[in-house]
Amino acid sequence: DVKVTQSSRYLVKRTGEKVFLECVQDMDHENMFWYRQDPGLGLRLIYFSYDVKMKEKGDIPEGYSVSREKKERFSLILESASTNQTSMYLCATLPRTGGGNYGYTFGSGTRLTVV
Amino acid sequence: GENVEQHPSTLSVQEGDSAVIKCTYSDSASNYFPWYKQELGKGPQLIIDIRSNVGEKKDQRIAVTLNKTAKHFSLHITETQPEDSAVYFCAASGNTGFQKLVFGTGTRLLVSP
Repeated sequence: DVKVTQSSRYLVKRTGEKVFLECVQDMDHENMFWYRQDPGLGLRLIYFSYDVKMKEKGDIPEGYSVSREKKERFSLILESASTNQTSMYLCATLPRTGGGNYGYTFGSGTRLTVV
Repeated sequence: GENVEQHPSTLSVQEGDSAVIKCTYSDSASNYFPWYKQELGKGPQLIIDIRSNVGEKKDQRIAVTLNKTAKHFSLHITETQPEDSAVYFCAASGNTGFQKLVFGTGTRLLVSP
């Protein structure tokens, strides 16, 4: 089974700090995604990457950046954390489509609190 | 872009009853519709999906139906069990292919013994 590991389960950071959320997968999946999950809003796409060093903005990229230097690792960066970025962050992976498998595999999430 | 609406936001049923969760989507180009189950403290997990060339798909107690004309799809769970209690999300692919999914807002299902 594909494993998607998010480095921290819970994280508390101060306003203005630079925050790094890490996601590592152990399969050879080309696509990786960062979503945030908020009550009543569901999952919203922040950024995704379809290959090493490639990235595309999702629906809510403001205040975030990403890095994908290696295929297995996708990092989400909060340049200057703010309280409205308090949320659950979910990483997901997907193999290159065409093989019939279209289902995302999610990590367990990082609950970030910005104080 | 694609917009997915999901109802109800919460659903309480007795063990053994059926549960139905409904979603509507806006982009007629969407062609892939997965459903995810999220248990407490875990990430969402794919439980069933359907593609636009199929009207219905079943996997044991779970079924999904798709009405492309009306642009809605539904999740049906029969003979519910307490372990079915979770948050369920529907999603649609939009017109960007299978890579990018747009999710609904989630349904919290509570199955009481």
